[in-house]
Amino acid sequence: EAQVTQNPRYLITVTGKKLTVTCSQNMNHEYMSWYRQDPGLGLRQIYYSMNVEVTDKGDVPEGYKVSRKEKRNFPLILESPSPNQTSLYFCASSLSAQGAYNQPQHFGDGTRLSIL
Amino acid sequence: QQQVKQSPQSLIVQKGGISIINCAYENTAFDYFPWYQQFPGKGPALLIAIRPDVSEKKEGRFTISFNKSAKQFSLHIMDSQPGDSATYFCAASISFTYGGSQGNLIFGKGTKLSVKP
Repeated sequence: EAQVTQNPRYLITVTGKKLTVTCSQNMNHEYMSWYRQDPGLGLRQIYYSMNVEVTDKGDVPEGYKVSRKEKRNFPLILESPSPNQTSLYFCASSLSAQGAYNQPQHFGDGTRLSIL
Repeated sequence: QQQVKQSPQSLIVQKGGISIINCAYENTAFDYFPWYQQFPGKGPALLIAIRPDVSEKKEGRFTISFNKSAKQFSLHIMDSQPGDSATYFCAASISFTYGGSQGNLIFGKGTKLSVKP
Protein backbone atom coordinates (compact mmCIF):
# COMPACT_ATOMS: atom_id res chain seq x y z
CA GLU A 1 0.00 0.00 0.00
CA ALA A 2 1.31 3.43 -1.01
CA GLN A 3 1.83 5.47 2.10
CA VAL A 4 3.76 8.07 4.05
CA THR A 5 4.62 6.82 7.52
CA GLN A 6 5.48 9.10 10.42
CA ASN A 7 6.82 8.09 13.82
CA PRO A 8 6.05 8.68 16.54
CA ARG A 9 2.39 9.59 16.24
CA TYR A 10 2.37 11.24 19.65
CA LEU A 11 5.19 12.56 21.82
CA ILE A 12 5.31 14.54 25.03
CA THR A 13 8.75 15.82 25.92
CA VAL A 14 10.53 18.61 27.73
CA THR A 15 12.22 21.79 26.60
CA GLY A 16 15.73 21.28 25.27
CA LYS A 17 15.64 17.52 24.80
CA LYS A 18 16.60 16.75 21.21
CA LEU A 19 14.05 14.76 19.25
CA THR A 20 13.62 13.37 15.76
CA VAL A 21 10.40 12.66 13.93
CA THR A 22 10.89 10.14 11.18
CA CYS A 23 9.12 10.13 7.83
CA SER A 24 9.28 7.39 5.25
CA GLN A 25 7.51 6.95 1.91
CA ASN A 26 7.29 3.85 -0.23
CA MET A 27 6.30 5.47 -3.52
CA ASN A 28 9.78 6.40 -4.84
CA HIS A 29 8.79 10.06 -4.67
CA GLU A 30 11.40 12.72 -5.31
CA TYR A 31 9.76 15.57 -3.40
CA MET A 32 9.19 15.52 0.34
CA SER A 33 8.07 18.21 2.73
CA TRP A 34 7.30 18.93 6.37
CA TYR A 35 4.38 21.08 7.55
CA ARG A 36 3.12 22.14 10.93
CA GLN A 37 -0.57 22.64 11.59
CA ASP A 38 -1.75 25.02 14.28
CA PRO A 39 -5.33 26.05 15.12
CA GLY A 40 -6.37 29.10 13.14
CA LEU A 41 -3.13 29.11 11.14
CA GLY A 42 -3.65 26.22 8.74
CA LEU A 43 -0.63 24.32 7.45
CA ARG A 44 2.71 26.04 7.12
CA GLN A 45 5.71 24.54 5.36
CA ILE A 46 8.83 24.04 7.46
CA TYR A 47 11.34 22.47 5.06
CA TYR A 48 11.20 20.67 1.76
CA SER A 49 13.43 18.47 -0.33
CA MET A 50 13.47 18.26 -4.11
CA ASN A 51 15.58 15.10 -4.08
CA VAL A 52 18.34 13.29 -2.20
CA GLU A 53 20.79 15.74 -0.59
CA VAL A 54 18.70 18.73 -1.79
CA THR A 55 16.82 20.54 0.97
CA ASP A 56 15.57 24.07 1.42
CA LYS A 57 13.71 26.21 3.93
CA GLY A 58 9.98 26.70 3.82
CA ASP A 59 8.05 29.46 5.53
CA VAL A 60 8.76 28.58 9.18
CA PRO A 61 12.16 26.83 9.39
CA GLU A 62 13.48 28.36 12.64
CA GLY A 63 14.30 25.72 15.25
CA TYR A 64 14.16 22.78 12.85
CA LYS A 65 16.63 20.76 10.82
CA VAL A 66 16.15 18.14 8.15
CA SER A 67 18.25 15.72 6.15
CA ARG A 68 17.65 13.68 3.00
CA LYS A 69 20.29 11.00 2.76
CA GLU A 70 17.99 8.46 1.12
CA LYS A 71 15.11 9.00 -1.24
CA ARG A 72 12.52 7.35 1.00
CA ASN A 73 13.37 9.06 4.31
CA PHE A 74 13.08 12.67 5.41
CA PRO A 75 13.50 13.08 9.19
CA LEU A 76 12.60 16.29 11.02
CA ILE A 77 15.01 17.18 13.83
CA LEU A 78 14.34 19.51 16.73
CA GLU A 79 17.76 20.10 18.29
CA SER A 80 16.49 22.08 21.28
CA PRO A 81 12.70 21.96 21.35
CA SER A 82 10.76 24.82 22.90
CA PRO A 83 7.08 25.09 23.91
CA ASN A 84 6.27 27.18 20.81
CA GLN A 85 7.05 24.10 18.73
CA THR A 86 4.11 22.27 20.26
CA SER A 87 2.07 21.46 17.19
CA LEU A 88 0.72 18.82 14.82
CA TYR A 89 3.32 17.92 12.21
CA PHE A 90 2.75 16.41 8.79
CA CYS A 91 5.17 14.91 6.34
CA ALA A 92 4.18 14.84 2.68
CA SER A 93 5.60 13.53 -0.55
CA SER A 94 4.89 13.84 -4.25
CA LEU A 95 6.30 12.31 -7.37
CA SER A 96 8.40 15.32 -8.33
CA ALA A 97 8.82 18.97 -7.50
CA GLN A 98 7.89 19.82 -11.05
CA GLY A 99 4.41 18.49 -10.57
CA ALA A 100 2.17 17.33 -13.33
CA TYR A 101 -1.29 18.80 -13.19
CA ASN A 102 -3.25 17.27 -10.35
CA GLN A 103 -0.21 15.50 -8.98
CA PRO A 104 -1.15 15.19 -5.33
CA GLN A 105 0.93 15.51 -2.26
CA HIS A 106 0.47 12.41 -0.11
CA PHE A 107 0.37 13.24 3.58
CA GLY A 108 1.18 11.09 6.56
CA ASP A 109 -1.31 10.88 9.42
CA GLY A 110 0.56 13.38 11.54
CA THR A 111 2.70 13.55 14.67
CA ARG A 112 1.35 15.45 17.65
CA LEU A 113 4.22 16.97 19.63
CA SER A 114 3.80 18.51 23.06
CA ILE A 115 6.83 20.27 24.49
CA LEU A 116 6.58 21.19 28.15
CA GLN B 1 1.66 38.62 -1.08
CA GLN B 2 2.15 34.99 -0.15
CA GLN B 3 -1.12 34.64 1.77
CA VAL B 4 -4.19 32.72 0.81
CA LYS B 5 -7.24 33.98 2.68
CA GLN B 6 -9.99 31.44 3.29
CA SER B 7 -13.53 31.93 4.55
CA PRO B 8 -15.62 31.03 6.40
CA GLN B 9 -13.74 29.51 9.32
CA SER B 10 -16.62 27.12 9.98
CA LEU B 11 -19.75 26.15 8.10
CA ILE B 12 -22.86 24.20 9.03
CA VAL B 13 -25.01 22.88 6.21
CA GLN B 14 -28.05 20.65 6.11
CA LYS B 15 -27.85 17.34 4.29
CA GLY B 16 -28.59 17.89 0.62
CA GLY B 17 -27.58 21.54 0.73
CA ILE B 18 -24.75 23.34 -1.04
CA SER B 19 -21.53 24.10 0.81
CA ILE B 20 -19.47 27.01 -0.47
CA ILE B 21 -15.96 27.87 0.70
CA ASN B 22 -14.11 30.87 -0.65
CA CYS B 23 -10.43 31.73 -1.05
CA ALA B 24 -8.59 34.81 -2.23
CA TYR B 25 -4.96 35.42 -3.09
CA GLU B 26 -2.70 38.34 -3.97
CA ASN B 27 0.29 36.81 -5.71
CA THR B 28 -0.50 36.70 -9.43
CA ALA B 29 2.37 34.26 -9.95
CA PHE B 30 0.32 31.47 -8.35
CA ASP B 31 -0.76 29.07 -11.06
CA TYR B 32 -1.90 25.95 -9.25
CA PHE B 33 -4.86 25.90 -6.88
CA PRO B 34 -5.70 22.64 -5.11
CA TRP B 35 -8.24 21.90 -2.43
CA TYR B 36 -7.43 19.42 0.31
CA GLN B 37 -9.85 17.56 2.58
CA GLN B 38 -8.85 16.50 6.08
CA PHE B 39 -10.70 14.14 8.41
CA PRO B 40 -9.93 14.08 12.15
CA GLY B 41 -6.77 12.14 12.93
CA LYS B 42 -5.72 12.00 9.29
CA GLY B 43 -3.50 13.98 7.00
CA PRO B 44 -4.96 16.18 4.26
CA ALA B 45 -5.81 14.50 0.98
CA LEU B 46 -6.10 16.12 -2.44
CA LEU B 47 -9.74 16.62 -3.38
CA ILE B 48 -9.65 18.63 -6.61
CA ALA B 49 -7.33 21.13 -8.28
CA ILE B 50 -7.45 23.79 -10.98
CA ARG B 51 -5.11 25.88 -13.07
CA PRO B 52 -6.01 29.48 -13.97
CA ASP B 53 -6.54 28.78 -17.66
CA VAL B 54 -10.00 27.39 -16.88
CA SER B 55 -12.83 29.01 -14.93
CA GLU B 56 -14.42 25.85 -13.55
CA LYS B 57 -13.56 22.26 -12.84
CA LYS B 58 -16.08 19.67 -11.71
CA GLU B 59 -15.50 16.24 -10.23
CA GLY B 60 -18.64 14.55 -9.06
CA ARG B 61 -20.31 16.71 -6.42
CA PHE B 62 -17.25 18.94 -6.05
CA THR B 63 -16.69 22.01 -8.24
CA ILE B 64 -13.97 24.64 -8.20
CA SER B 65 -14.91 28.03 -9.60
CA PHE B 66 -12.01 30.28 -10.49
CA ASN B 67 -12.07 34.04 -11.12
CA LYS B 68 -8.63 35.13 -12.31
CA SER B 69 -9.41 38.85 -12.52
CA ALA B 70 -10.75 38.91 -8.96
CA LYS B 71 -7.98 36.58 -7.71
CA GLN B 72 -10.56 34.37 -6.05
CA PHE B 73 -11.51 30.74 -6.20
CA SER B 74 -14.15 28.72 -4.42
CA LEU B 75 -15.18 25.16 -3.67
CA HIS B 76 -18.79 24.15 -4.09
CA ILE B 77 -20.05 20.88 -2.64
CA MET B 78 -23.42 19.98 -4.12
CA ASP B 79 -25.86 17.70 -2.29
CA SER B 80 -23.70 17.84 0.82
CA GLN B 81 -23.61 14.63 2.87
CA PRO B 82 -22.70 13.93 6.52
CA GLY B 83 -19.66 12.04 5.21
CA ASP B 84 -18.40 15.35 3.76
CA SER B 85 -17.95 16.70 7.29
CA ALA B 86 -14.25 17.53 7.44
CA THR B 87 -11.84 20.43 7.35
CA TYR B 88 -11.18 21.84 3.90
CA PHE B 89 -8.07 23.75 2.92
CA CYS B 90 -7.51 25.77 -0.20
CA ALA B 91 -3.93 26.22 -1.34
CA ALA B 92 -1.84 27.83 -4.02
CA SER B 93 1.62 27.43 -5.47
CA ILE B 94 3.82 28.50 -8.34
CA SER B 95 4.62 25.67 -10.71
CA PHE B 96 8.13 24.60 -11.60
CA THR B 97 7.71 25.99 -15.11
CA TYR B 98 7.58 29.50 -13.65
CA GLY B 99 10.41 29.16 -11.20
CA GLY B 100 8.59 27.68 -8.26
CA SER B 101 7.63 24.25 -7.12
CA GLN B 102 4.15 22.88 -7.20
CA GLY B 103 4.93 21.17 -3.94
CA ASN B 104 5.55 24.41 -2.04
CA LEU B 105 1.94 24.97 -1.16
CA ILE B 106 0.64 28.06 0.63
CA PHE B 107 -2.43 26.92 2.53
CA GLY B 108 -5.45 28.84 3.68
CA LYS B 109 -6.36 28.55 7.35
CA GLY B 110 -9.06 25.96 6.77
CA THR B 111 -12.83 25.66 6.97
CA LYS B 112 -14.46 23.17 9.27
CA LEU B 113 -17.58 21.86 7.52
CA SER B 114 -20.34 20.09 9.43
CA VAL B 115 -23.18 18.56 7.45
CA LYS B 116 -26.24 17.89 9.60
CA PRO B 117 -28.43 14.86 8.81
